[in-house]
Amino acid sequence: EDQVTQSPEALRLQEGESSSLNCSYTVSGLRGLFWYRQDPGKGPEFLFTLYSAGEEKEKERLKATLTKKESFLHITAPKPEDSATYLCAVQTPSNDYKLSFGAGTTVTVRA
Amino acid sequence: SQTIHQWPATLVQPVGSPLSLECTVEGTSNPNLYWYRQAAGRGLQLLFYSVGIGQISSEVPQNLSASRPQDRQFILSSKKLLLSDSGFYLCAWSVGTAYEQYFGPGTRLTVT
Repeated sequence: EDQVTQSPEALRLQEGESSSLNCSYTVSGLRGLFWYRQDPGKGPEFLFTLYSAGEEKEKERLKATLTKKESFLHITAPKPEDSATYLCAVQTPSNDYKLSFGAGTTVTVRA
Repeated sequence: SQTIHQWPATLVQPVGSPLSLECTVEGTSNPNLYWYRQAAGRGLQLLFYSVGIGQISSEVPQNLSASRPQDRQFILSSKKLLLSDSGFYLCAWSVGTAYEQYFGPGTRLTVT
């Protein structure tokens, strides 16, 4: 069974204080790893897809990286508007069409 | 561009009452459609998914059911709600060989 573990559960940052979120996974084969951002009371918003170890994707202050066992979401010089819950998910060959989600990391950025 | 709609946005229902949540996708054809439930402070639990009209796969045994009467319409139903059915219900879509899913705004269901 695919397992996705995110850490930490919660992260409180000062504005401008860079940090990283971790997503570790145990799967039999990886088709893709996905990062989402979720604001309170809203549906998750797609951020990135990573397909193979060594791949990196960037969007504004966010940068996602992938190794064979984990992914990191780096937040550089965060602003209060980066406050949200960040979810990662994996898709594997044995689970066509389906994603397995982690529980998420809630990031709070204080001005 | 593609958009996904869910309604209602919020719903308060008594135990034992029926449920019908609707999801529609615009701007794409033959999408894969998904229903998730998210309990407070917890991750996303996949309930149902469909890769075509009339085709439904159930992930979790429960008193919920899903139907796909049209290509871009997905409905979540229950004949009798339980307290444990409370939660945030999310519909999502994906298409073709792209595995990322795109989520709707969600429905907050409170069963009293």
